[in-house]
Amino acid sequence: GENVEQHPSTLSVQEGDSAVIKCTYSDSASNYFPWYKQELGKRPQLIIDIRSNVGEKKDQRIAVTLNKTAKHFSLHITETQPEDSAVYFCAASSNNAGKSTFGDGTTLTVKP
Amino acid sequence: GAVVSQHPSRVICKSGTSVKIECRSLDFQATTMFWYRQFPKKSLMLMATSNEGSKATYEQGVEKDKFLINHASLTLSTLTVTSAHPEDSSFYICSAGTGGGFYGYTFGSGTRLTVV
Repeated sequence: GENVEQHPSTLSVQEGDSAVIKCTYSDSASNYFPWYKQELGKRPQLIIDIRSNVGEKKDQRIAVTLNKTAKHFSLHITETQPEDSAVYFCAASSNNAGKSTFGDGTTLTVKP
Repeated sequence: GAVVSQHPSRVICKSGTSVKIECRSLDFQATTMFWYRQFPKKSLMLMATSNEGSKATYEQGVEKDKFLINHASLTLSTLTVTSAHPEDSSFYICSAGTGGGFYGYTFGSGTRLTVV
């Protein structure tokens, strides 16, 4: 089955700096890669996703890149703000399986 | 947008009793729902895949007789934790979609189960 590894497990940045979270996956059949943000005690919320037919996607301060050959994808947050502080999860899934395999999460702390 | 409602949000039960958690898709038909379990400061662990009108598919290591899943309609899936024990205490989250992972799945708000 799919195996998703996520790094780093914790990340602390100063407000205004950029944050990068990286994930690798093992199943070459995976073709959909969502990122979720989970605030303390709340449900995971989809913040951005990318499909295997594109290499990069951007939405305001958030961007995701995908390297299918190397089987890794990354989340980039620019101009970080304290409200970006949360746990971020990457995931990988394929059309056929439907289910998502999640990374272990990254706790991002943005210091004001 | 897609809305998934999960109830109850919190439940405390005694050891040996059963607890039912509901997951409803409010504005779309969910052919597939997933049930996840999340321990404190840990990732989401897929427990089972629930397909409307058929038996759920359980992940390795998940006891199907302990975690009963029923997906009787296109808008409702239920997870029943039978004969609950303290080690079953966890955060349970469902997610629902229209099939395939291609468009992402919407998560319910989660259920905090505490077994005393």
